[in-house]
Amino acid sequence: EVQLVQSGGGLVEPGGSLRLSCAASGFNFNNAWMTWVRQAPGKGLEWVGRIKSKPDGGTEDYAAPVKGRFSISRDDSQNRVYLQMNSLKTEDTAVYYCNAGGHWFDSWGQGALVTVSS
Amino acid sequence: QSALTQPASVSGSPGQSITITCTGTNSDIGGYNYVSWYQQHPGKVPKLMIYDVTNRPSGVSNRFSGSKSGNTASLTISGLQAEDEADYYCSSYTNNVVFGGGTKLTVL
Repeated sequence: EVQLVQSGGGLVEPGGSLRLSCAASGFNFNNAWMTWVRQAPGKGLEWVGRIKSKPDGGTEDYAAPVKGRFSISRDDSQNRVYLQMNSLKTEDTAVYYCNAGGHWFDSWGQGALVTVSS
Repeated sequence: QSALTQPASVSGSPGQSITITCTGTNSDIGGYNYVSWYQQHPGKVPKLMIYDVTNRPSGVSNRFSGSKSGNTASLTISGLQAEDEADYYCSSYTNNVVFGGGTKLTVL
């Protein structure tokens, strides 16, 4: 059974940093593209970024609103993917989901609420 | 990258069929057969209902079907049931991924 268990999240002041973690099991993590999607309160889904598998180059891509502030990394030895969020803004307040997949997502983490507020 | 365009809301009565449209451009929906649809009940994690335009994951009812014509994709739900009331999101590959704004389905 595919499982994605997230940790991290919480309250942070504008300009601050936070790291989310996602532990994966039940599938071949080494070959998986991992994606982060967020959902602001009462709003729709928004793609944040993804990291390709190392066999596919291991490169990252980001949505325009977070490019230069967020970074995604992976530890294939631990089956974990991370989302490092820096220079956080109030508009980054959202539930953040990790997913296994590149362009469709059948496995979602439970979500982590990030609140950016002073 | 602009979000895909979905109607804000649709409604139907039990047993009826409804269709939710998702309009994009040649750079996303029109350029790839990588449209997917998600169902989200309040407070819950999204659930994949359709992938690669027409494919249903194992366990998803065959009352859900997907299609695409040009730059517009559609999700059709037949035999509407009360449990289908939820928010529905489309998404497309575009070199990255873009989502629609979401459609609230009300079962009358």
